[in-house]
Order: sequence, then structure tokens, then C-alpha cells
Amino acid sequence: DVVMTQTPLSLSVTPGQPASISCKSSQSLLQSDGKTYLYWYLQKPGQPPQLLIYEVSSRFSGVPDRFSGSGSVTDFTLKISRVEAEDVGVYYCMQTIQVPPTFGGGTKVEIK
Amino acid sequence: QVQLVESGGGVVQPGRSLRLSCVASGFNFRAYGMYWVRQAPGKGLEWVSTLSGDETMSHYADSVKGRFTISRDNSKNTLYLQMDSLRTEDTAVYYCAKKLPGSYYIGIDYWGQGTLVTVSP
Repeated sequence: DVVMTQTPLSLSVTPGQPASISCKSSQSLLQSDGKTYLYWYLQKPGQPPQLLIYEVSSRFSGVPDRFSGSGSVTDFTLKISRVEAEDVGVYYCMQTIQVPPTFGGGTKVEIK
Repeated sequence: QVQLVESGGGVVQPGRSLRLSCVASGFNFRAYGMYWVRQAPGKGLEWVSTLSGDETMSHYADSVKGRFTISRDNSKNTLYLQMDSLRTEDTAVYYCAKKLPGSYYIGIDYWGQGTLVTVSP
């Protein structure tokens, strides 16, 4: 199975400050079709996860542009340029290049 | 807009069965593969099963293989998860989720609100 390792486990951020979450995969997520099947989700308290970023760096519909994704092969990063109160929750990365699809352990983001 | 509404959760004894349903709306259901993903209380996300839009491809997590069956009725826009021989470790919120457009191996764009399954003696 592809192991997804997220760091840090938690993050406390002052509103307006940036935040960064790392996700490393145990195998390359680059598919032969040229796409990299790495996704970022945010699970707000008491809610289901919601898609933020797909295929490493494409923002999903309605996602604010303060969220950005980058990386390649096995190393990926989600950045929030200026954290807002509504960004609290647990962030997960996910890979789907290989069955079983696997998730990172999650990064909890709190506001200071 | 895309809506996924799960139902069928509840409290059940170990060894018993339960069938979850997920009614989809707002998109061409038969054109999209679907996922079941679960989340044990206070834990992270765990993939359970995937089924293609035409039901020709499916996969299961090792932890549920041989006990759970994913299926769909495209005429009813409904996804199912038949869960047999339930164990206490199957206790979780079960989410139905829609695949993004693309290949079978693509990720999730929309999630339902989830339905809680509690397996307890």
C-alpha cells in the first residue's frame, strides 16, 4: 500500500498568517497518463470532508485562492497564504494512483 | 447541485448485517464511479470500496473483503453497501462519495453527510 505521511500533526496559526502542510508518499504518484493523483481535503468540525485541491495543484470549484497546492512525485505541500477563522479543521491528503486509495493521517489546524 | 444522502446506519450486534444506501442527485449518476469511505470515532479517513459507473470494476479494502458488497442501481440513482458479519471495528461514520470526472483511479469531489454504524454487543 502507498503510505501517506503528513506533517505536522497539528498547527496553531494566527489569523492572516500563512500555513503549510506537507504530505509525502511512499511511492511515486505520477501516473503514465501524466497526471499525479494527489488530493487535499479539509474536514471542518462536524462536517464531511470537502475537496480543496485535485491533481496536486488544481483548485476545486469555489475554493478560495488563498489555498494552493504544489509538489511532484512523492513530495507535496498545501499552503494557505493567509489563514482565516473558517479554515479550522483537519486537512487530509489522499492518493488514488494505486488500490487501495490511502489518506494521510491528517493535520489539525487551529486558530491562535 | 450535487447531493449525496446516506441512510441505513444504526446500532447492530457483532455478526449481524446492515445495508447502507446513498441517494444521489444533481449529476448523471450512471456516468460516475462512487466510493464508500469510513471514519471511526475520533480517527482519520479509511477507504472501504469503489465501484465504477457501469459496475464492471470494483475494489474493496482488505479489512472488509468478503464481508461487504458494493452495488448500485443506476435507475434509482442509488449506491449501496451491504455489510455482513459486522465486527466492532467496523464502527464508524460511513460516507458515500462521488468520483471526479476521469479514469477509474481518480479521486473524490463530493461527499455525503455520512451515516453512523455502531457495532456493539
